[in-house]
Amino acid sequence: KQEVTQIPAALSVPEGENLVLNCSFTDSAIYNLQWFRQDPGKGLTSLLLIQSSQREQTSGRLNASLDKSSGRSTLYIAASQPGDSATYLCAVGGNNRLAFGKGNQVVVIP
Amino acid sequence: DVKVTQSSRYLVKRTGEKVFLECVQDMDHENMFWYRQDPGLGLRLIYFSYDVKMKEKGDIPEGYSVSREKKERFSLILESASTNQTSMYLCASSLWDRGQYGYTFGSGTRLTVV
Repeated sequence: KQEVTQIPAALSVPEGENLVLNCSFTDSAIYNLQWFRQDPGKGLTSLLLIQSSQREQTSGRLNASLDKSSGRSTLYIAASQPGDSATYLCAVGGNNRLAFGKGNQVVVIP
Repeated sequence: DVKVTQSSRYLVKRTGEKVFLECVQDMDHENMFWYRQDPGLGLRLIYFSYDVKMKEKGDIPEGYSVSREKKERFSLILESASTNQTSMYLCASSLWDRGQYGYTFGSGTRLTVV
């Protein structure tokens, strides 16, 4: 069974700093890896999708990398802003199922 | 814009009631999923469906059933609601595409059973 880990569970950074969020997974036989954002009490918003054949994806200030062989993905958010405060979830896709980490709760301090 | 719509944002039900949570997607996706999300436990898969009238148990199906009579609609049913089913419920859909496209989630239903 795929296990997905995100550490730390919570972190705070000052505004303007770059954010680095890590995700690790146990089974490298994946179809894709998806990063989501979740605001309190809301659903999940997809940020980036990396297919298994890709190494990274970029969207604006966000960049996500994927290393299947080591079972790791990293989400970079450049020049963080207070509006980036949210929970970020890593989800690994395989065989039409998603396995989720428990998320990184991020607070960006103005 | 593609959408997954959950019919209710908030629901309050009494113990023992039969509860229906509805989810509709407009993307012609084959796969649909129901998750519940609880603090400290993360998202857990309850049931999923990969075609009309097809269903598969997820990791925590006990106390739940599902219905998929049309491709765009996937319903989660709590036959007799209990307080331990108080949770955030999230619906998602995806294409049968081996990973080329990702999952799209609805905005969630916060269910409280009293």
